[in-house]
Amino acid sequence: DVKVTQSSRYLVKRTGEKVFLECVQDMDHENMFWYRQDPGLGLRLIYFSYDVKMKEKGDIPEGYSVSREKKERFSLILESASTNQTSMYLCATTRKNYGYTFGSGTRLTVV
Amino acid sequence: DAKTTQPPSMDCAEGRAANLPCNHSTISGNEYVYWYRQIHSQGPQYIIHGLKNNETNEMASLIITEDRKSSTLILPHATLRDTAVYYCIARGAGNNRKLIWGLGTSLAVNP
Repeated sequence: DVKVTQSSRYLVKRTGEKVFLECVQDMDHENMFWYRQDPGLGLRLIYFSYDVKMKEKGDIPEGYSVSREKKERFSLILESASTNQTSMYLCATTRKNYGYTFGSGTRLTVV
Repeated sequence: DAKTTQPPSMDCAEGRAANLPCNHSTISGNEYVYWYRQIHSQGPQYIIHGLKNNETNEMASLIITEDRKSSTLILPHATLRDTAVYYCIARGAGNNRKLIWGLGTSLAVNP
């Protein structure tokens, strides 16, 4: 089974801090995704990557950046955390014509 | 990818079959129907997918109408652990990038 591991289950950060959320997969999946999930809004795509060093903006990329230096690792960066970025962050991977595999999520609180 | 429509909530008695409907009237010929579920505070989990034919696995059965405009996910003997939000998604073959996630159906399995 594919495993998708997110580095932290819970995080509390201060406004203005630079925040790194890490996601690692243990299979050779090309595609990786970062979503955020908020009550009443569902899953919204922030960024995705279909290959090493490749990235594309999702629906809500503002305030975020990503890095994919190795195939197995996809990092989400909050350059200057704000309270409206308090959310559940979910990483997912997939390869062609297969279902998505999600990590357990990181619940980030910005105070 | 086609938009899907699901009822916001459903109830089911423990031990009975749970039938979760999904409308995807604009689905195109090469789009698969995928089902995921999300148990509280975890990442979504893949359940099943299909194109035209009915599908069954150890978790559930998927019934797709002949015109492919709707489908039903069946949990044959629901347990309390099946209480979750269930998402139905239409996904084009080869589209491994952006998916449209709705708010899903919140299924409550009652003792």
